[in-house]
Amino acid sequence: EPEVTQTPSHQVTQMGQEVILRCVPISNHLYFYWYRQILGQKVEFLVSFYNNEISEKSEIFDDQFSVERPDGSNFTLKIRSTKLEDSAMYFCASSFGPNQPQHFGDGTRLSIL
Amino acid sequence: AQKITQTQPGMFVQEKEAVTLDCTYDTSDPSYGLFWYKQPSSGEMIFLIYQGSYDQQNATEGRYSLNFQKARKSANLVISASQLGDSAMYFCAMRGSNDYKLSFGAGTTVTVRA
Repeated sequence: EPEVTQTPSHQVTQMGQEVILRCVPISNHLYFYWYRQILGQKVEFLVSFYNNEISEKSEIFDDQFSVERPDGSNFTLKIRSTKLEDSAMYFCASSFGPNQPQHFGDGTRLSIL
Repeated sequence: AQKITQTQPGMFVQEKEAVTLDCTYDTSDPSYGLFWYKQPSSGEMIFLIYQGSYDQQNATEGRYSLNFQKARKSANLVISASQLGDSAMYFCAMRGSNDYKLSFGAGTTVTVRA
């Protein structure tokens, strides 16, 4: 069964450094998302992406964050200058349509030191 | 804005028995979707079941069924014949008609006992 793939599974970064989280969505899906889950808390929406542009973003997704689809298969989340509070599990998801179920990757655990 | 409430932080269930996980929601959207996801201790998020607000019948998917009561704004998940592998955190989520995002509840931890 096709699945969303995320790399790396765990990223450790010094505060202030840039980090790029990578995702390969399911190949025929058209809508892409990033969520995060701080340890022990609920899953929070960051951003959605369709047709090469951001379709919706949350207040968490400030100027430190950006997303890109650099080619036909990858979808990336960049955090420009990481803070301690960015430590979380980051999930990529994709769906065929906006009303279709979103399928999640296994997540990248980001630890900021 | 959508709001999802899961009032049960944790539940225990005996193997082979059924368990019902509560989810209530609040929205002013006329059309919306409701979703349940499973998060095992390994951390991944697994899609389980979907219910559209205009669907006439309750959704079912194998051992999972959704008890959708629109007037009460509830979308409870029923897991029948529980297995040890069902031990996990379960999240209810919602998407409004004008949203791309899913809004998640706080989750319910299910522990299946042998």
